[in-house]
Amino acid sequence: DAGVTQSPTHLIKTRGQHVTLRCSPISGHKSVSWYQQVLGQGPQFIFQYYEKEERGRGNFPDRFSARQFPNYSSELNVNALLLGDSALYLCASSLEAGGWTGELFFGEGSRLTVL
Amino acid sequence: RKEVEQDPGPFNVPEGATVAFNCTYSNSASQSFFWYRQDCRKEPKLLMSVYSSGNEDGRFTAQLNRASQYISLLIRDSKLSDSATYLCVVRTEGNTNAGKSTFGDGTTLTVKP
Repeated sequence: DAGVTQSPTHLIKTRGQHVTLRCSPISGHKSVSWYQQVLGQGPQFIFQYYEKEERGRGNFPDRFSARQFPNYSSELNVNALLLGDSALYLCASSLEAGGWTGELFFGEGSRLTVL
Repeated sequence: RKEVEQDPGPFNVPEGATVAFNCTYSNSASQSFFWYRQDCRKEPKLLMSVYSSGNEDGRFTAQLNRASQYISLLIRDSKLSDSATYLCVVRTEGNTNAGKSTFGDGTTLTVKP
């Protein structure tokens, strides 16, 4: 069975540009979460979506937005890119939104470099 | 202060050694606890959940102390393949029936021959 797939795997942007990252969860999983991981730190929570609705939001500026589609795939959008947005963006899927069934399965990530 | 704090590391140990990692969390409403493993430039993967009574999986033992808001991971008989970063994860269930998983910054373990 396919795991969590993310695209693109690597990308380079310049300051002020916009980026869209995509994620397909494991088949049957209804929840998708997005995390930002800066080198040397743990993943930081950005958003969680469940059944196409936003269920949680981390402490990120409004330049960050996301959505979940009817097939449970998801997009993360970042506008007006800053140098500090350079990071590994991880998508995680889980069967349900919370509780013990909320075990997170991560994709390999999208590595964004902002120049 | 971070919500989840871990030993900064790095830990460099010989094969066969026993090593312990500690983690503290600040949100007393946290309900679920996990250890994830992350290999260099790879995605995190669940190592084990942490239950209130403590639990063991082969060479790995996890303990939880809710009163002290403290979690630990013990690795016995370390293998070269245990070299990785170990992330402590604390999950809090929100009002929207969704959980928020908060990660520590990880502790890096290097097991040497």
